[in-house]
Amino acid sequence: GNSVTQMEGPVTLSEEAFLTINCTYTATGYPSLFWYVQYPGEGLQLLLKATKADDKGSNKGFEATYRKETTSFHLEKGSVQVSDSAVYFCALSDQGGNQFYFGTGTSLTVIP
Amino acid sequence: ETGVTQTPRHLVMGMTNKKSLKCEQHLGHNAMYWYKQSAKKPLELMFVYNFKEQTENNSVPSRFSPECPNSSHLFLHLHTLQPEDSALYLCASSQDLAGGQGYEQYFGPGTRLTVT
Repeated sequence: GNSVTQMEGPVTLSEEAFLTINCTYTATGYPSLFWYVQYPGEGLQLLLKATKADDKGSNKGFEATYRKETTSFHLEKGSVQVSDSAVYFCALSDQGGNQFYFGTGTSLTVIP
Repeated sequence: ETGVTQTPRHLVMGMTNKKSLKCEQHLGHNAMYWYKQSAKKPLELMFVYNFKEQTENNSVPSRFSPECPNSSHLFLHLHTLQPEDSALYLCASSQDLAGGQGYEQYFGPGTRLTVT
């Protein structure tokens, strides 16, 4: 079946530190991959996506590359800011299906 | 209004009450979803609708009853809930169903439900 596994949190970083949040997936076929972010008191917002192998999604300084050989979609940012504090969700949508599959979320806190 | 809106934002109800959650999307999408988000648990998909037709019901108890009168509106009718049903209920929409086209979901802000 389809599933997403992402690293356990919480993660605490100092401002300007490098961020990596690991995400691996299991899927049949060729899924599309997503990162969503949820700020306190809000719903999830799409951060970036990739729809085929070797695609790189990027937005607001965040990047993730769709790696089919390692079934991974790790989220990275070179220099985090306090405003990046939020919960980050990795997700996939399966080819031919009608569902999205979400990871458990990773809470990030950035301290000044 | 733009995007996906949900009302009410907060709801407190007793176990014998009947209430409804409302979701509206202003994006011209065809698919709509209900999710339950509980603390320290993965996001749980509850229902999926495509062109007003229900396509998924993930073994949700009958005390939750969805309604989709058109592609823009989605309701979740609640009755005789239990305290463990307290959670954030999120509505989402997408252009079409997930499969293979890379359509992303757009989420509303959620309704924070407390069952007393």
